[in-house]
Amino acid sequence: DAGITQSPRHKVTETGTPVTLRCHQTENHRYMYWYRQDPGHGLRLIHYSYGVKDTDKGEVSDGYSVSRSKTEDFLLTLESATSSQTSVYFCAIRTATYEQYFGPGTRLTVT
Amino acid sequence: QKEVEQNSGPLSVPEGAIASLNCTYSDRGSQSFFWYRQYSGKSPELIMFIYSNGDKEDGRFTAQLNKASQYVSLLIRDSQPSDSATYLCAVATLNSGGYQKVTFGIGTKLQVIP
Repeated sequence: DAGITQSPRHKVTETGTPVTLRCHQTENHRYMYWYRQDPGHGLRLIHYSYGVKDTDKGEVSDGYSVSRSKTEDFLLTLESATSSQTSVYFCAIRTATYEQYFGPGTRLTVT
Repeated sequence: QKEVEQNSGPLSVPEGAIASLNCTYSDRGSQSFFWYRQYSGKSPELIMFIYSNGDKEDGRFTAQLNKASQYVSLLIRDSQPSDSATYLCAVATLNSGGYQKVTFGIGTKLQVIP
């Protein structure tokens, strides 16, 4: 499982509240990613990180921010949650040989 | 045109048959190709990757790549009910800065009928 954990695994929150999702890895991989997965859209990249404090936007980054203060942790923050951000969120790491491995996911519901 | 296209299915095959899953991509500069299996409610699991034209076999799985036709496929021999899942095709392009942009298809749902 590439030593990836995500927390929380499930969350229900109200519109307008901030939400932070955490991804933790134990294998010191440089690259980490946040994706969301929605029916009919597949997996879409939100943000990624290529090192401590080095992050960049993906294709669906509006309304999201990220931070990486330690190699092992990559945080995704929804500044003010909206119903359109109801989704399943996956964290992933990339190995030195370019394979990506995914964490177990967080199911987020915004009411 | 979507960057990575897959038929969403469902693709139904009888147990013991060969399941053939197909994927086309639009970026001729794509370099790496991956197949993930995703069970309902679970995260994607990497099952195959291929970088060069031709076939790559791993157990009951064979990945096939044809860069000229921009086509990648996954064959599952002796299909089992436990193979019933959604199969995601992913295509990666590496830029000069070392960033690997990965684009996923929407996945093909496979049903193996006992």
